[in-house]
Parts: sequence; structure tokens; C-alpha cells
Amino acid sequence: GESVGLHLPTLSVQEGDNSIINCAYSNSASDYFIWYKQESGKGPQFIIDIRSNMDKRQGQRVTVLLNKTVKHLSLQIAATQPGDSAVYFCAEIPNQAGTALIFGKGTTLSVSS
Amino acid sequence: DGGITQSPKYLFRKEGQNVTLSCEQNLNHDAMYWYRQDPGQGLRLIYYSQIVNDFQKGDIAEGYSVSREKKESFPLTVTSAQKNPTAFYLCASSIDLNRSNGYTFGSGTRLTVV
Repeated sequence: GESVGLHLPTLSVQEGDNSIINCAYSNSASDYFIWYKQESGKGPQFIIDIRSNMDKRQGQRVTVLLNKTVKHLSLQIAATQPGDSAVYFCAEIPNQAGTALIFGKGTTLSVSS
Repeated sequence: DGGITQSPKYLFRKEGQNVTLSCEQNLNHDAMYWYRQDPGQGLRLIYYSQIVNDFQKGDIAEGYSVSREKKESFPLTVTSAQKNPTAFYLCASSIDLNRSNGYTFGSGTRLTVV
């Protein structure tokens, strides 16, 4: 079945570095992608989204890149801070009526000072 | 403030008991969802509802039941048929099922079987 996955389960970076979290998706028909951040014991929080008619979208310190050719999504965090430590999930909505959001397994980002 | 509220935050269940997790939203969202999260895992869809009085099974619906009698509320019952219920349960809502601007999540309920 369709699935969304992440390349690495964990990522460790130094404070101030840039972080790149990757995600591969399998459903070429998906047309909406979202990145979520989940801190320990809390629900996921929306970070940024992108539609399939775009290949890049920027927010505050975050950038999402979409490569539809290879079905790859990435989240870039600039000047990573200790408060960015969390689990990051990518999610997709297949272009199919009556389908809920599909989540990947997540990447745990650890930021050391 | 608009939001989505889950209660209780922690819940303990004895073997063979049914328990109900509450989820309430005041965002005027039509669609609501229940996900289960196990350690080191992603979110797996249990049930979802596009509109009042309608709900659909997700990927892991066995051992769970839901109701959607009001737009604001989407309670999840974990029945005794669910053999491994210990997990973190997340409720979410969105404007509609597709073409939404993402989901708003509650803060979760951690269920433990004792």
C-alpha cells in the first residue's frame, strides 16, 4: 500500500548548524504534503506545508523542498536551536476522495549545545 | 481560544475493561480523526469521521469503536477486544477530509493496561 517514510530515524546536530530531514513518499498521486513537529508527550504541531504544484516553500527558519520526480520531500531548519529537538513527521494526502492523512515513521532530531 | 481537547491525559485500564477517550473541538471542523502512536512509530489511523453521524474505519480499527453524534465530539472506546491497547492516542480535526490545511491535534491520551 501507499506509505510515507523517512530516511533516518535519528539526526544529531550542533546548535547553530542547519538540519535537513528527509522523507520519501510512494504515492505519486499525492498532492499535498505537511511537516509536523512532535515534542515529547504532546500532539504533533503543524510546521509547514506544500502543494504538488510547488517545489519549494519557506517559512520562518524552515524550508520545505519537494522533488516530485524522485518522490522526495525534505525539511530544512536553519540555525538549529535546542528547542527544535523533537520528532519530525512528514505526511501526505493522496489525491483520492475519502482518504485521511498518511504519516511517516518520524525522525528524532537532537540538538546539542 | 479555539482548539481540540483530549481527556484524560493519562488513563489506566484493567484487563477486560472498556474505556472511552474523550475528544472535543471548538474549531467548527467537519472532519475528526483518531490515531494511535507506539514508541518509535508513526501515527496509525484508527477511525475518522467526515461529518456528523458518519465515520469510517482506518488501518487499525479492530478492537476500537467510535461515535459522532455531535460535530464537536468524537469519543473513542477501546474495547476488551483490543489485545494490545497500551499506546499514546491522538485525536485530530480538520476543516474537511481532503484539501485541508492540515490537521489540528490534541495533546494526547496515554493509555496503559495494568
